[in-house]
Amino acid sequence: DAKTTQPPSMDCAEGRAANLPCNHSTISGNEYVYWYRQIHSQGPQYIIHGLKNNETNEMASLIITEDRKSSTLILPHATLRDTAVYYCIVRGTGTASKLTFGTGTRLQVTL
Amino acid sequence: EPEVTQTPSHQVTQMGQEVILRCVPISNHLYFYWYRQILGQKVEFLVSFYNNEISEKSEIFDDQFSVERPDGSNFTLKIRSTKLEDSAMYFCASSVGTREKLFFGSGTQLSVL
Repeated sequence: DAKTTQPPSMDCAEGRAANLPCNHSTISGNEYVYWYRQIHSQGPQYIIHGLKNNETNEMASLIITEDRKSSTLILPHATLRDTAVYYCIVRGTGTASKLTFGTGTRLQVTL
Repeated sequence: EPEVTQTPSHQVTQMGQEVILRCVPISNHLYFYWYRQILGQKVEFLVSFYNNEISEKSEIFDDQFSVERPDGSNFTLKIRSTKLEDSAMYFCASSVGTREKLFFGSGTQLSVL
């Protein structure tokens, strides 16, 4: 699976957009980019995933560059409950392909 | 929304004892996973399971570990002889398809004394 690089921590004011970057320069053509988050020691929570087009759901937007070497997760209006560790994961293509978690970005949302 | 259920939420055991961690994946899911997270460290992949057999396992998943789907609803992780370093939060996950998102349970905190 391709390696990802994320900043270790970020801050965001409540109500503002949180933009979390991720580099995945060795991604292969058929590998997806997934974003998960983990609040305290709870189970990781799915946010969004994409292959090459930008994606949006009720939680967030995912912007993938045209060369697919990087992506940005956007939380449009961050709240205190969005404080968590956010993981950018490039997922392989095998049967029952696993998610490989890195160290992620610790997002702190403040008043 | 359907969810992955794990029991117990906390398990305390003595070193050398066998433990079984239990998971009920989402009912129409076909792919099952175990992960663990030692306090303050990354979430680590242990094993994936599909069609009643292991698809992939990590170096952590040695002969002390085994998985089983004993019936149509449960998915278990057994540790035969626990060690102090097995103390961790263990997460079960499932997905409906090989490219579909994984849903994680809330975890079982295992403490080996």
